[in-house]
Amino acid sequence: EAGVTQSPTHLIKTRGQQATLRCSPISGHTSVYWYQQALGLGLQFLLWYDEGEERNRGNFPPRFSGRQFPNYSSELNVNALELEDSALYLCASSLRYGTVKGTQYFGPGTRLLVL
Amino acid sequence: KQEVTQIPAALSVPEGENLVLNCSFTDSAIYNLQWFRQDPGKGLTSLLLIQSSQREQTSGRLNASLDKSSGRSTLYIAASQPGDSATYLCAVEGRTGANSKLTFGKGITLSVRP
Repeated sequence: EAGVTQSPTHLIKTRGQQATLRCSPISGHTSVYWYQQALGLGLQFLLWYDEGEERNRGNFPPRFSGRQFPNYSSELNVNALELEDSALYLCASSLRYGTVKGTQYFGPGTRLLVL
Repeated sequence: KQEVTQIPAALSVPEGENLVLNCSFTDSAIYNLQWFRQDPGKGLTSLLLIQSSQREQTSGRLNASLDKSSGRSTLYIAASQPGDSATYLCAVEGRTGANSKLTFGKGITLSVRP
């Protein structure tokens, strides 16, 4: 069974540009999570989507946004890129049974470099 | 606000040693606690998940325990091998609302010397 996949693996942008990162969850998983891992800051929660809706949002500015498609894949968009947005962006997926949450399985990440 | 602490930040041990990695968290109202492994520049691999109602989980040479009341978890690695060298992250998931997310510690970078 295929795991969580992310594209692209690497992305280079310049300040002010927009970046779009993509994530495909494990088949059958309805929840998708986005995390940012910047040097020295550790893993920070960004967004959680489930059944097409945003369920929770971390402490990030509105220029970080995303969506979940009917097939449960997801996009993370970062507008007006700043140098400090350079990081590894990780996507995870999990099952949900009502209020029961399953293990989060992580993808390999997209490394974003902002110049 | 949940905070997760892992100390020390780095650890170097000789091959074959049994070792314990510690994790502490400030809010005991958790849904579950997970231990992950991360190799340099890679994503995360889930090692063990302990539900809030459980005390421990085991997988092969790994054993994780959870003491919610004291806000602590330990990951025990038996007979360490060079292939165990990686960063080990502890994360807790809150129950509801704004806490319904994984909060990570900064990890312990483990080096097992042959």
